[in-house]
Formats: sequence, structure tokens, C-alpha cells
Amino acid sequence: NFMLTQPHSVSESPGKTVTISCTRSSGSIASNYVQWFQQRPGSAPTTVIYEDNQRPSGVPDRFSGSIDSSSNSASLSISGLKTEDEADYYCQSYDSSNQGVFGGGTKLTVL
Amino acid sequence: EVQLLESGGGLVQPGGSLRLSCAASGFTFSSYAMSWVRQAPGKGLEWVSAISYSGGNTYYVGSVKGRFTISRDNSKNTLYLQMNSLRAEDTAVYYCAKDSRRAITMIVVDWGQGTLVTVSS
Repeated sequence: NFMLTQPHSVSESPGKTVTISCTRSSGSIASNYVQWFQQRPGSAPTTVIYEDNQRPSGVPDRFSGSIDSSSNSASLSISGLKTEDEADYYCQSYDSSNQGVFGGGTKLTVL
Repeated sequence: EVQLLESGGGLVQPGGSLRLSCAASGFTFSSYAMSWVRQAPGKGLEWVSAISYSGGNTYYVGSVKGRFTISRDNSKNTLYLQMNSLRAEDTAVYYCAKDSRRAITMIVVDWGQGTLVTVSS
């Protein structure tokens, strides 16, 4: 199996753009789709990106996802930061036997 | 609108059993794989189990194999997780999640609100 590594925390000011990385430890990041979930304190997770770069309906286009094979990582970018974006963000993928793998989560602070 | 409503959580003693349910609505339940994902207090997310649209294929994380059983009743639009031989480390909020395909892909777009399971004497 593989691991997904995220920074423990990131912070940025309102109106700015922040990027959260998710690095796969083994195997190609492009082998399996990557999803990104947002979890506000005390709430259930919600999906902000699926299949690397697709946004569910209702998710603003300020959220975007990408993968970079050269660094074997996925990224979530949030532009025009708002205080409501402050949350924990998790990346997730799966292996060839459909075992789900989550990153450890990144706490985003908007200050 | 997709709705996933979990129930069945509560306080149980170590070694005990509990059955979680997830009532689904707003989509054709029988056409999608489903999963259970848990989150221990103050910790990250952990995928627990998944089941294909027909129930023919199932997967479990290693720590619950042989103790948990996932199942579904497509006539009742309901997903289940039977949890036996519960341990303190199973204490978590358990979320029901809808896959984006019939087969298990772990590509989740929709989540329930969760139900809390506490294993303690």
C-alpha cells in the first residue's frame, strides 16, 4: 500500500490563494483518481474535488484540483480565500485492490 | 438531492456488538457502491469498508476484517454495518458515503452526517 502526505497546516490571508499538496509515497499519482474533502469543525466532510479536478455541483470555481507526475503529488488550490474556507482538508485516493487511502489532513487558517 | 442518514450509534462495552444503518434517498440506491468511513475523536478520516451496487463485492480495512460485516438491502435503500467484538479503538464517528460508480472505486461525492460509536466500559 501507499501513503498520502499532506502539510499539517497552512495559513493565508483573505482574498489570497493557497495551495495544499498531497504527495503519494509509492506508485504513480496518476494511477488512481484523487479526491479532496473539506471538513469544518463539528461537521461531516464534504467533497470539494473528485477525479483529480472535477467540482461537485455547488462547489465554487475558487476550488481547483490538479496532479503533477513530476513530484508525484496532487494539489488543491483555493483562490479568493474567505473566512468560511477555514477548515481541515483531506486528500484521498485508492490502490489497485480498491483500498481507500486518506492523507493525514491539513488545517487551513484564514487570517 | 442525495440524502444519507446514519443511525444505530451509541455506547457499547468492549466485546459488544452494534449495527449501523444508513438510509439513502434522492438517488437510485441500487446503482451505486457505498462505503463506511470513520473518524476517531481528534483524528483523521479512515476508510472502513465498501460494498458494490449488488453486494457482490466487499472490502474491509485490515483492522476490522473478521469483526465487521457490510451489507445492503436495495429494496429498502439501506446500507448496514454490523460491528462485532468491538474495541476501544473502534470509537469514532462513522460516516456513510456514496460512491460515484456501481463498482467500488472509492470516489466519494456524497456523505452522511455521521453517527457516533463509543466503546467503553
